[in-house]
Amino acid sequence: GESVGLHLPTLSVQEGDNSIINCAYSNSASDYFIWYKQESGKGPQFIIDIRSNMDKRQGQRVTVLLNKTVKHLSLQIAATQPGDSAVYFCAETLGDGTASKLTFGTGTRLQVTL
Amino acid sequence: NAGVTQTPKFQVLKTGQSMTLQCAQDMNHEYMSWYRQDPGMGLRLIHYSVGAGITDQGEVPNGYNVSRSTTEDFPLRLLSAAPSQTSVYFCASSYMEGLINEQYFGPGTRLTVT
Repeated sequence: GESVGLHLPTLSVQEGDNSIINCAYSNSASDYFIWYKQESGKGPQFIIDIRSNMDKRQGQRVTVLLNKTVKHLSLQIAATQPGDSAVYFCAETLGDGTASKLTFGTGTRLQVTL
Repeated sequence: NAGVTQTPKFQVLKTGQSMTLQCAQDMNHEYMSWYRQDPGMGLRLIHYSVGAGITDQGEVPNGYNVSRSTTEDFPLRLLSAAPSQTSVYFCASSYMEGLINEQYFGPGTRLTVT
């Protein structure tokens, strides 16, 4: 199988630079957000999550920022590496945090150039 | 652990044919689900199951059937394939429905209906 990405926006970043991937979410009542990474030929993989009572959360080389006022989420990847090349998409859900209520974004393709 | 496995990886069907997409996990996860991924759209939930013997409809259930006779297996049946069902299908599982950040996806099945 392949990741579905024929019509995705693409972000091209040089190796070593920082990447910022944006996501506008739809439901102002959503209060749990997740970023996924999908490499070619693979299923989505959880990267990082954030709840609405936070503005920022950091992981290993990744940071998620949440702006509830404008319903915007961003994923920052520090020191981007070739292995970061993939499709990235966000997902949102309501407070009960159940997987069956997840709404997924369409994604952004990240291309890392050497 | 093999994680979440899906078979086949690729399948071509003619309109009206039926088939079953297989999904299995060896992590003793209670929650399993099926998604489809189409160009320009986020993942959409087809059916899900919170445990053996329990299934429920997701966002786009029409044309698909599921059953959950064991914890390990969650097959997706296409009763009479249509070109609109051309898509990439992903199975996912987690220990509980609420553990979204521990949801694992399979590698996907690319289905083409002619």
